[in-house]
Amino acid sequence: AQKVTQAQTEISVVEKEDVTLDCVYETRDTTYYLFWYKQPPSGELVFLIRRNSFDEQNEISGRYSWNFQKSTSSFNFTITASQVVDSAVYFCALTREPYMDSSYKLIFGSGTRLLVRP
Amino acid sequence: SAVISQKPSRDICQRGTSLTIQCQVDSQVTMMFWYRQQPGQSLTLIATANQGSEATYESGFVIDKFPISRPNLTFSTLTVSNMSPEDSSIYLCSVAAGGIFENTEAFFGQGTRLTVV
Repeated sequence: AQKVTQAQTEISVVEKEDVTLDCVYETRDTTYYLFWYKQPPSGELVFLIRRNSFDEQNEISGRYSWNFQKSTSSFNFTITASQVVDSAVYFCALTREPYMDSSYKLIFGSGTRLLVRP
Repeated sequence: SAVISQKPSRDICQRGTSLTIQCQVDSQVTMMFWYRQQPGQSLTLIATANQGSEATYESGFVIDKFPISRPNLTFSTLTVSNMSPEDSSIYLCSVAAGGIFENTEAFFGQGTRLTVV
């Protein structure tokens, strides 16, 4: 079975602080994809990153960075120099290799609510 | 990429009534997915909608409560039937698009925020 755990329910930081959102996953598949989505108060899901299981390189995109470690089944997300606009709920998600069973169903974690205070 | 348009964006409904949510995609996609997000909760997959066949429902969701139509490769509807306050949620449509395996993405509509009173 597949499972995604985001143990941090809510995090509150002061603007310009760095913050790391944790994501731990479980899967028996050897090929899978991991995602991070941002959900601002307006409700839409904003895609942030997709990483496949064979690519363990860390990725940096502006103030965002991701640390993927298969050894610990973790895919953590760090925001550097946080800003008020980063306040949102962040979801980590997992899916098995697309088209293996003709599906692309995402298993979501419970989400982490990030509040960045001025 | 794929652009998804969901209608309505929000609605307030009386218990016992039904609401049909529409999802329109700007490109042809094989599979469309419907998710539910209850207040303060994560997203849970309701069903997978394939064009030309019955939708596949996840455990805990049944066709009588959430009938789905998929008349063509760019459109799907989800109906929430005989609504109760427990159905108050955000309902999201999702598609996988990109064509090439490595470029496949999961795109989401802006969601339909449903309140049942």
